[in-house]
Amino acid sequence: AQSVTQPDIHITVSEGASLELRCNYSYGATPYLFWYVQSPGQGLQLLLKYFSGDTLVQGIKGFEAEFKRSQSSFNLRKPSVHWSDAAEYFCAVGAYEGNKLVFGAGTILRVKS
Amino acid sequence: GAVVSQHPSWVICKSGTSVKIECRSLDFQATTMFWYRQFPKQSLMLMATSNEGSKATYEQGVEKDKFLINHASLTLSTLTVTSAHPEDSSFYICSATPGANTGELFFGEGSRLTVL
Repeated sequence: AQSVTQPDIHITVSEGASLELRCNYSYGATPYLFWYVQSPGQGLQLLLKYFSGDTLVQGIKGFEAEFKRSQSSFNLRKPSVHWSDAAEYFCAVGAYEGNKLVFGAGTILRVKS
Repeated sequence: GAVVSQHPSWVICKSGTSVKIECRSLDFQATTMFWYRQFPKQSLMLMATSNEGSKATYEQGVEKDKFLINHASLTLSTLTVTSAHPEDSSFYICSATPGANTGELFFGEGSRLTVL
């Protein structure tokens, strides 16, 4: 069965500092991997996704993520965090069929000025 | 990008009543829609997969008689919470895809249900 682990429940970074949010997945074949962001009381916004090809994917808002098959990881990074990035971030994995997604528990990002 | 709209955005109801939440794909035909539930400060849990014109497939542990899902057209799926109770209070989010294996999945804004 698919599963996603986001080991950090909360992360606090200073504005302008770099960010890395961790995501590990368990899936039997090549996964579809996603990062979403959710502001309080809002729906989900897709930041980026990986299906195949280049293992470093670029997303919106200056985010990128790197797929590392050997580590079963898909960590999200941003070189310089802005206060508006404060939100909850979800990593998700999908099967080839059906587009059902299994979500990680989420990481709440706080940005201090 | 494609737009998926949910209605209502929030609803408050009395215990024992039924509530219907709509999920619409506004600019594409959604062959498949998914319904998720999110408890406060928790992740999203898949409730069911809805394919147009057929019965929904429910995840283990989800009561299909309580959470009725209808996908009568290629642009609309509805989730009806029947005989709602306070423990059904949650944030319900739908997602829709134009086709399996496309990798394209679009989420609605979510609907917050509060049962008094």
